[in-house]
Amino acid sequence: SQKIEQNSEALNIQEGKTATLTCNYTNYSPAYLQWYRQDPGRGPVFLLLIRENEKEKRKERLKVTFDTTLKQSLFHITASQPADSATYLCALDRGNAGNMLTFGGGTRLMVKP
Amino acid sequence: DAGVIQSPRHEVTEMGQEVTLRCKPISGHNSLFWYRQTMMRGLELLIYFNNNVPIDDSGMPEDRFSAKMPNASFSTLKIQPSEPRDSAVYFCASRMRESNQPQHFGDGTRLSIL
Repeated sequence: SQKIEQNSEALNIQEGKTATLTCNYTNYSPAYLQWYRQDPGRGPVFLLLIRENEKEKRKERLKVTFDTTLKQSLFHITASQPADSATYLCALDRGNAGNMLTFGGGTRLMVKP
Repeated sequence: DAGVIQSPRHEVTEMGQEVTLRCKPISGHNSLFWYRQTMMRGLELLIYFNNNVPIDDSGMPEDRFSAKMPNASFSTLKIQPSEPRDSAVYFCASRMRESNQPQHFGDGTRLSIL
C-alpha cells in the first residue's frame, strides 16, 4: 500500500542550528513533491516544490532534496529561528490526471532561543 | 490579495444535525479541494473539483457527506446527519489548473459534533 512517513515526534533544536526533516514514501512514483508549513489554527502554506528530475532546491534559508532511488525527501532550515517553529508537511503528487496531492502526517519543529 | 475564505471558523452542533461548510476560492483558480484533518489520520483529501465539476470524490467517507460547487467562486461541504466522529478541522484549498501549482489553503472550519 502507499505510504508517506514523516517523523511524528517533535524535533527540538537550538536557535541557529540547522533543522532537518525527513519525508519517506513507498509505492509512489511522484513527478514532484511539495513542502508546506502549518501553524496552529491555520491552514498549510506552500513553501517549496521539487521535481523528480531535480536533486536539490533552495529558497532563502530553506533547502529541499529529493532522492527518487531512496524514495526520500529531506527538508533543511539553516540558521533556524524561533519563528520557524511550526508543523511541516510533505505532499506527493499522486501521478494522476488531476495532480492531486497526498500529504504526510507532518513533523512539528520547535526552535528554542 | 484575498486568500481562500472559509466559514464558519468554528461550528459546534449536536449529533444528527445538518452541517454546511462554505468556501470561497481565490479568484482565477479553477481547481478546488476539500480536506479533513484529524490527529489520527492527518490531512485527507475528500473531494476535488475542476472548473466547478467534481472530478474525484473517492475520499468522501460516506453518503452523509456531499459537496457542491455551483459557480467558480463558491463551494459547500455538507454533512447530514452529522456524527461525533465527523469532528475535525475541514480545509478548503484552491489552485490554478496547471499541474504542480501550489495549493492555497483557507484557515479551516473546526467542527465539533456533540
